[in-house]
Amino acid sequence: QQQVKQSPQSLIVQKGGISIINCAYENTAFDYFPWYQQFPGKGPALLIAIRPDVSEKKEGRFTISFNKSAKQFSLHIMDSQPGDSATYFCAARDYNTDKLIFGTGTRLQVFP
Amino acid sequence: GAVVSQHPSRVICKSGTSVKIECRSLDFQATTMFWYRQFPKQSLMLMATSNEGSKATYEQGVEKDKFLINHASLTLSTLTVTSAHPEDSSFYICSATMRDRGTGEQFFGPGTRLTVL
Repeated sequence: QQQVKQSPQSLIVQKGGISIINCAYENTAFDYFPWYQQFPGKGPALLIAIRPDVSEKKEGRFTISFNKSAKQFSLHIMDSQPGDSATYFCAARDYNTDKLIFGTGTRLQVFP
Repeated sequence: GAVVSQHPSRVICKSGTSVKIECRSLDFQATTMFWYRQFPKQSLMLMATSNEGSKATYEQGVEKDKFLINHASLTLSTLTVTSAHPEDSSFYICSATMRDRGTGEQFFGPGTRLTVL
């Protein structure tokens, strides 16, 4: 119940294309859903986050879609660029413990 | 704002020695600090949660006597890996939540690469 399932494990996209990463959860105590971007050898950096009272949030080329009834959320990267090549993690915060539960990660490669 | 630093960024030590990693919130007071471990090509796994002035809470399977956490102030937490062994080699990352902001957002440090020979 504490898991966050993330797919796909890896993703190859051509420059200019749309990258889509999906996550699903079970725990209804999750109240905050961030996405992190991580480059090799670096710590994760917050990309965008959403709360369950909103169905979509957009920041520049990055959009989170949130489906509360299905307990699913996804990250869309529009106009993907080679510089977006990184590992992306979805996460969910349990408001009872303040802990973040991370998905397994998606390695995105954007080819020119 | 909301910068978290870690020191050192990289450490190599001999098996059996102890290594201390510092995590600092540079421009804010941290209510809670978290320590994660990340093995190559894997996700972040929470090791422990620490609040200033109180004992850390460890996740199941994490040895509290091996991974000593001290949270002496609202801006500093340390993780000491005692009697390190090669299997402790990993990427250790800390994060902090900001006091007075109950959003749940965690600010992550840049990580510390530990290699035990």
